[in-house]
This record gives sequence, C-alpha cells and structure tokens, in this order.
Amino acid sequence: GAGVSQSPSNKVTEKGKDVELRCDPISGHTALYWYRQRLGQGLEFLIYFQGNSAPDKSGLPSDRFSAERTGESVSTLTIQRTQQEDSAVYLCASSLRLAGGYEQYFGPGTRLTVT
Amino acid sequence: AQSVTQPDIHITVSEGASLELRCNYSYGATPYLFWYVQSPGQGLQLLLKYFSGDTLVQGIKGFEAEFKRSQSSFNLRKPSVHWSDAAEYFCAVGGSNQGGKLIFGQGTELSVKP
Repeated sequence: GAGVSQSPSNKVTEKGKDVELRCDPISGHTALYWYRQRLGQGLEFLIYFQGNSAPDKSGLPSDRFSAERTGESVSTLTIQRTQQEDSAVYLCASSLRLAGGYEQYFGPGTRLTVT
Repeated sequence: AQSVTQPDIHITVSEGASLELRCNYSYGATPYLFWYVQSPGQGLQLLLKYFSGDTLVQGIKGFEAEFKRSQSSFNLRKPSVHWSDAAEYFCAVGGSNQGGKLIFGQGTELSVKP
C-alpha cells in the first residue's frame, strides 16, 4: 500500500489506562503530523516531526500525551492515564517535506473510545 | 490568532444544483489555503490548494475555489453537485512560518437530495 496507514483502526480502553497508536507514513516522506478530531469538530494539530530535527510539540494538550518517531519511519502516539475527553479520532499525515507548500496525505485514523 | 471559520455546519442541496461552501480565515502572513473532503469511513482527501498566483484554483472532482484576500475568504464551489459529493468538507490554512502544520475549520457537512 502506498498510503499512510494507522493501527489499530479502533481502540476501546478504560479510563486510566495507557494507549499507543501507530502511524506508518508514506515511504520517502520526511514530515509526519498527528492531529486529533473530536466528534463534530475540525482537526486539532498535536505534533509534527521532520527528519532528525526536534519535533514541534506545541499542540499536545497535556503531558499525558507524547509521541516518538524513529528516523523517517513509523511514529507512535502514546496517551497515558487516558481520560474520557481523550475520546476522538486520531489522524496521522505525512508529507514529502516540512513546509506549507507540500500536500499532507492523511491516514484513515484511529478511533479511540475511553470508557 | 490564526483561525479558520466555516459558518455553515450543515448544508443540503439538490442533486444537479450548484454549491458554495464558505471559508474565512485569520492569518498573519501570506496563507496557504486548502480544502479537504472526508467521506464516511475514509481519510481526508485534498480537493485543492492555493499557494500563490491565480486566485481561482481548480481541484479534483470538478471543484474550484477562489481566494479573496480583501475578504479573507476561500470559498469552495461546484457548478453541479452529484450524490457522491455528500461528505464533510474542511477548509484549512497553513503557511511558510508554521512548519507545515495546518489549522482546520470545524467542517461543513454536505447532504445531497435526489
């Protein structure tokens, strides 16, 4: 598959548990982004990675959220001690370069439900 | 503050009718503007984008959008809507000083009547 893939597609977890969401970007894309989409809302930027540069974490809502990326490959978004307000669809996107002019290609998302 | 406003949460049009979805933005520098479409169970797909040059941009699926700097708007249009166009539409703004991150509007849900 040539597109961005995410796993799992759905995740139900109990409040207080930790979850890990995975993103496989398009091969060769140096930039990777995470967004959150709450029900009926637009997308909120969380974090982006560009190669080996320091990530921009300015959108992470709290210190319970963290993300890692190894080189220009897979990224993992981790939410610790999940809360009900974390329920949302988490979308990953990748682009050829980190710049406003490059199209971001989105994955299908992971729907997280915290009970 | 940088923001995107889509004033219409939900629009219903008849198949074959024309469509215009509104988008207004607030951005301190020259904006890059995008329209994405999200169909049920699908990821976001880019319809069109504006970076510079001609203010009327053409996209996929017969959509077009016009950048009006004086009105801070980037409205999406289609002359004749098809039933398959029913989806959620998102306007987004980015720029060279944002490192590529996009600010999205809340979306407009389009329903198409037969």
